[in-house]
Amino acid sequence: NAGVTQTPKFQVLKTGQSMTLQCAQDMNHNSMYWYRQDPGMGLRLIYYSASEGTTDKGEVPNGYNVSRLNKREFSLRLESAAPSQTSVYFCASSELLRVDEQYFGPGTRLTVT
Amino acid sequence: GENVEQHPSTLSVQEGDSAVIKCTYSDSASNYFPWYKQELGKGPQLIIDIRSNVGEKKDQRIAVTLNKTAKHFSLHITETQPEDSAVYFCAAKGGAGSYQLTFGKGTKLSVIP
Repeated sequence: NAGVTQTPKFQVLKTGQSMTLQCAQDMNHNSMYWYRQDPGMGLRLIYYSASEGTTDKGEVPNGYNVSRLNKREFSLRLESAAPSQTSVYFCASSELLRVDEQYFGPGTRLTVT
Repeated sequence: GENVEQHPSTLSVQEGDSAVIKCTYSDSASNYFPWYKQELGKGPQLIIDIRSNVGEKKDQRIAVTLNKTAKHFSLHITETQPEDSAVYFCAAKGGAGSYQLTFGKGTKLSVIP
């Protein structure tokens, strides 16, 4: 039982490049979330998926797209990376919209130069 | 929307002493207040939480108190140990219909042996 896994762990992009961050969970959770964590800013919600087939914007969705591929997987895409998107990205999962029982992945550290 | 303020941003204590971290929130409808611990290179992990119908909750060396009138809540760690060193985040969840957590900016706790 791996919990929530994220790939890659580290990534360096040039401005304008695109990439997809992958997240998978093996806890049979309905809901999944993407956060970014910046120094001195805490965690901010980018997008979430209440259940398979649905996605909704969080606090800071601009510049990102998401795909809920199936119940297990939730990906985050940067179409044209900008230096302002340099951050650590965390994926989380929970029972249906049970934000009080979220389980976080280990994070992806992204640097955009 | 909800706004969560967390203080202090850094805290150093001697091993065996107590540590207190305080948070305030703005939305009087918020009803759930978790605390997360994040160790270096890992994702946040829920360590204790409290709901708005409870004033205090304790789990071994960790306790959380909530003052709904003043809209603030605190984390108390007694008999601190070096393994308590980490970044701690408070968060608040809005009232009915809210599926998002708003996080504080974090407190870096250092326990000096």
